Amino acid sequence: DTAVSQTPKYLVTQMGNDKSIKCEQNLGHDTMYWYKQDSKKFLKIMFSYNNKELIINETVPNRFSPKSPDKAHLNLHINSLELGDSAVYFCASSTLGTGVGKLFFGSGTQLSVL
Amino acid sequence: SQQGEEDPQALSIQEGENATMNCSYKTSINNLQWYRQNSGRGLVHLILIRSNEREKHSGRLRVTLDTSKKSSSLLITASRAADTASYFCATDAKSGGSQGNLIFGKGTKLSVKP
Repeated sequence: DTAVSQTPKYLVTQMGNDKSIKCEQNLGHDTMYWYKQDSKKFLKIMFSYNNKELIINETVPNRFSPKSPDKAHLNLHINSLELGDSAVYFCASSTLGTGVGKLFFGSGTQLSVL
Repeated sequence: SQQGEEDPQALSIQEGENATMNCSYKTSINNLQWYRQNSGRGLVHLILIRSNEREKHSGRLRVTLDTSKKSSSLLITASRAADTASYFCATDAKSGGSQGNLIFGKGTKLSVKP
């Protein structure tokens, strides 16, 4: 069974559209994340939820809205897509104890905005 | 803000040689982690070293941490073609605005030639 699964793997869409990426983890972790990896492979945190509560909200346009219906799911909805949103988006999960534990990553969603 | 910086950005070696990658960071940390990313895939956790540890081994991997210099190194011994990937260090900051999440460096792209 895949530990962290995100769908879809590829997403090609037109500018201005609204799209969602789903993420689920079956590891029993209490914390989930969304990271964005740009074309230069730089990985940047976007959001983090701990027990369904938003704990990290980096400087991200408010067109991006995360939603965590339960501890095992963290979805990402993006409104009015722009060309600059093209990137690979990774979901991850971990436990929070004394510091951040190791992250388990999904396989990524490659978003292409045309 | 970016915490870790890997060095070198790219490294090309022959199979059987050792590969050393370095990471420098800026603030006090709870732990430092190393991840591997194969092309087109998600990141995979390799090793976690806590701030009170100086060295850790896992198979052919050896990680050192020098908190006085705010630096870490990852050594891969007897490299194989399958080790070809990008390697990232990530830090869990102890305080400040980055608590609760891992901040990744830009990565070292390792190429191991058969």
